[in-house]
Amino acid sequence: GQQLNQSPQSMFIQEGEDVSMNCTSSSIFNTWLWYKQDPGEGPVLLIALYKAGELTSNGRLTAQFGITRKDSFLNISASIPSDVGIYFCAGPANAGGTSYGKLTFGQGTILTVHP
Amino acid sequence: GAGVSQTPSNKVTEKGKYVELRCDPISGHTALYWYRQSLGQGPEFLIYFQGTGAADDSGLPNDRFFAVRPEGSVSTLKIQRTERGDSAVYLCASSLTPGAGYEQYFGPGTRLTVT
Repeated sequence: GQQLNQSPQSMFIQEGEDVSMNCTSSSIFNTWLWYKQDPGEGPVLLIALYKAGELTSNGRLTAQFGITRKDSFLNISASIPSDVGIYFCAGPANAGGTSYGKLTFGQGTILTVHP
Repeated sequence: GAGVSQTPSNKVTEKGKYVELRCDPISGHTALYWYRQSLGQGPEFLIYFQGTGAADDSGLPNDRFFAVRPEGSVSTLKIQRTERGDSAVYLCASSLTPGAGYEQYFGPGTRLTVT
């Protein structure tokens, strides 16, 4: 099946720094989603992208839908301690298929922010 | 408004026992999804309901796993003859309609431990 690869696997940064992470696939995706998961909680949707080249912001977060449709990027500016968590990219498990809503997830990027 | 709720939050059971996990979706959401998340991994799709019917159960690992949604709202995931490998966090998500831009809203999960 389709797989999403996220990098880096983990990041250790100082408060105030900017963060970049990415997600790649061997196949084309028509939608990219970015979720954040805190310990003991379910993933929370941060940003949804629907068009190649699209750049969307949500506060200090900015995500881009890659032109090739095989990758996506998430940037966090001026990180703060509450940005700590695991960030997942996700996309439809069957690109162009009929199983609407079935998502496949990357393995996550663990972000640690030192005050 | 109220988000997706799941009960219990934690469940410890002995190998071979039967368990039921419950999900209450966001009111008005017609689509409901179950995922399983193992430690250090992203969520993996199990089954998706549109209304009362299972539209895609291709992610269920074997016939010990079964899910129902009899009235199109609350769903129950049932696991028979539990095995230690079933230990994971079981996440439920809902969306307004199937697809709905693939924007799924997750509950906090049920952590299942099989001893």
